[in-house]
Amino acid sequence: NAGVTQTPKFRILKIGQSMTLQCTQDMNHNYMYWYRQDPGMGLKLIYYSVGAGITDKGEVPNGYNVSRSTTEDFPLRLELAAPSQTSVYFCASSYLHTGELFFGEGSRLTVL
Amino acid sequence: AQKVTQAQTEISVVEKEDVTLDCVYETRDTTYYLFWYKQPPSGELVFLIRRNSFDEQNEISGRYSWNFQKSTSSFNFTITASQVVDSAVYFCALSDVSGNTGKLIFGQGTTLQVKP
Repeated sequence: NAGVTQTPKFRILKIGQSMTLQCTQDMNHNYMYWYRQDPGMGLKLIYYSVGAGITDKGEVPNGYNVSRSTTEDFPLRLELAAPSQTSVYFCASSYLHTGELFFGEGSRLTVL
Repeated sequence: AQKVTQAQTEISVVEKEDVTLDCVYETRDTTYYLFWYKQPPSGELVFLIRRNSFDEQNEISGRYSWNFQKSTSSFNFTITASQVVDSAVYFCALSDVSGNTGKLIFGQGTTLQVKP
């Protein structure tokens, strides 16, 4: 089983560039999430989706956008990259709103 | 506001020692779920346990055990006879049940180093 797949695993961006982190899951989960992990800060929720066509902001949404056109895919768009967006990004999905989250392997992004 | 606090930033033990990772949470919800995740040096997040607020029984899984106490809003994790492979960052998390979104609120994480 592929589970939750994120691409790319590593990326270096220049300030002001844009990019999309891809996330796809093959478990038919309705709930999907994007978190970022900074050293010593735990995981912070960027955006989430409770189903296709529905997205909402999390705790730290500024500088990001998402879309959810299908159940499987939940891409995260970074517009005008800034050094503060240097982080490790995790995509996750869940079958139930009370269930555990299944995480992708993470994407390490560096903005220089 | 909901919050998870893992006061121990780093813990270092020698192999075979027992170690307890503390987790304290804040919530006004009467129904909620608590989780522990492990993040080994390879970076992935591994689910360890999910516990609902109505089940205060302690749980044991091999060398791992969890102590849930609603009276003190704590959900502590103990590793018995620690091994080098237990070296990782451990996260405690609380579900945000409002709106049925499934969002998790994570603590800052505790880095456990087990020395041989």
